[in-house]
Amino acid sequence: DAKTTQPPSMDCAEGRAANLPCNHSTISGNEYVYWYRQIHSQGPQYIIHGLKNNETNEMASLIITEDRKSSTLILPHATLRDTAVYYCIVRVGTGNQFYFGTGTSLTVIP
Amino acid sequence: AAGVIQSPRHLIKEKRETATLKCYPIPRHDTVYWYQQGPGQDPQFLISFYEKMQSDKGSIPDRFSAQQFSDYHSELNMSSLELGDSALYFCASSFYSPGRGNTEAFFGQGTRLTVV
Repeated sequence: DAKTTQPPSMDCAEGRAANLPCNHSTISGNEYVYWYRQIHSQGPQYIIHGLKNNETNEMASLIITEDRKSSTLILPHATLRDTAVYYCIVRVGTGNQFYFGTGTSLTVIP
Repeated sequence: AAGVIQSPRHLIKEKRETATLKCYPIPRHDTVYWYQQGPGQDPQFLISFYEKMQSDKGSIPDRFSAQQFSDYHSELNMSSLELGDSALYFCASSFYSPGRGNTEAFFGQGTRLTVV
């Protein structure tokens, strides 16, 4: 599976949009981009995933560049409960593993 | 909605003892994954099963073994426990769709193993 690169930490003001970037320059055509988050010592929580089109659900939006070498997770109105480590993972559709990188520690500031 | 259930939630064992962790996937999910997360570390993939067969193997020590049963629940068996095995152990499940491959995986709340 392709490697991902994320900034180690970010801050965001409460109520503002949080934009979390991820680089995956070696992604191949059959690999999906997944986002998970982990709130202190809880099980990782699925947020969203996509292949090449932008995706939106009740939690977030995922913007994937046309060349698919990078993506951005957008939390439209960050709350204090969004403080967590956010992981960007690329994974073959038929793959039976998720490899977590180091993630981005997002702190939402009141 | 039903989630992934892990038991026990907490476990304390002494060095050289054995431990068995259990994972009950979301109903109709056929794939189970195991992860280990040490203090201050990111989750590390250990092993996965699809339809009761091992499908992928990560950094699982030889002292550990796992299996998936006919009802799709899975057990992680850990022997000759070492202090360094103290960690959170997460299980996740997903299902395989012939049209699009594996769906997103959902994680349980984990088992905290402490080896003393």
